[in-house]
Amino acid sequence: AQSVAQPEDQVNVAEGNPLTVKCTYSVSGNPYLFWYVQYPNRGLQFLLKYITGDNLVKGSYGFEAEFNKSQTSFHLKKPSALVSDSALYFCAVRDENYGQNFVFGPGTRLSVLP
Amino acid sequence: EAGVAQSPRYKIIEKRQSVAFWCNPISGHATLYWYQQILGQGPKLLIQFQNNGVVDDSQLPKDRFSAERLKGVDSTLKIQPAKLEDSAVYLCASSSQNYGYTFGSGTRLTVV
Repeated sequence: AQSVAQPEDQVNVAEGNPLTVKCTYSVSGNPYLFWYVQYPNRGLQFLLKYITGDNLVKGSYGFEAEFNKSQTSFHLKKPSALVSDSALYFCAVRDENYGQNFVFGPGTRLSVLP
Repeated sequence: EAGVAQSPRYKIIEKRQSVAFWCNPISGHATLYWYQQILGQGPKLLIQFQNNGVVDDSQLPKDRFSAERLKGVDSTLKIQPAKLEDSAVYLCASSSQNYGYTFGSGTRLTVV
C-alpha cells in the first residue's frame, strides 16, 4: 500500500530566504508524486507533479520539487519565499499499481515571516 | 475551463440530522472523488467513481454515508444521521487521464 510522510508540521522561513518542505513516500510500484497547496477556506490547488523524466520538476508560483528515488523523497523547494506563500502544503502519491487513488500526507504549514 | 463546483460552501447541522453535498466536476472528467478533510489532517478518500460506477468505497462509512453519480456527471454525498466526528471539509475532485486532480473549494460541515 502507498503512504506519504511529511515530517514537519510547521516550517517557518523569513521572506526572501529559500524554503524546503519535506515529503517522503512508500509505494510498491513506480510513484506518481504531487504537491498541492491549500489557502484558508479554499480548496486544494495543484502546484506540480512528477510522473517520469527529469528528477527536477518546476511548477506554479516559482515552486519546484526534486524526485529522489534512492531516498524515496519529493521535497518541495522555492529559492526565495514570499509572505503570500504562507499556506498548508500537501504531498500526495499515487502508486502506478493502484489505479488513480491518491494518498495525501498530513500537511505542512508554511509560515513566511516578513 | 470551469472548475469543480461544490455546494453548499458551509453547513451547520445538529447531530443525528441528515445533510447532502453536491458536486459538479469538470466537463468530460470521467473520474470523480469525494474526500473528507478533518481539521489538521490530510484529505482522506471516501469514494471514487468512474463514470457512474463505484471504483473504491472501502473507506466510506456505509452505515451513515452514501454517494451516487447517477448520470456519470454530477454527484451527491449524503450523511444520515450525522455524528459530531463528521465535522470536516468535504472535498470533491475530478480527473481525466493526465494524472492530476482538480479540487473544488469544498463544503465545510459543522455538526453540533
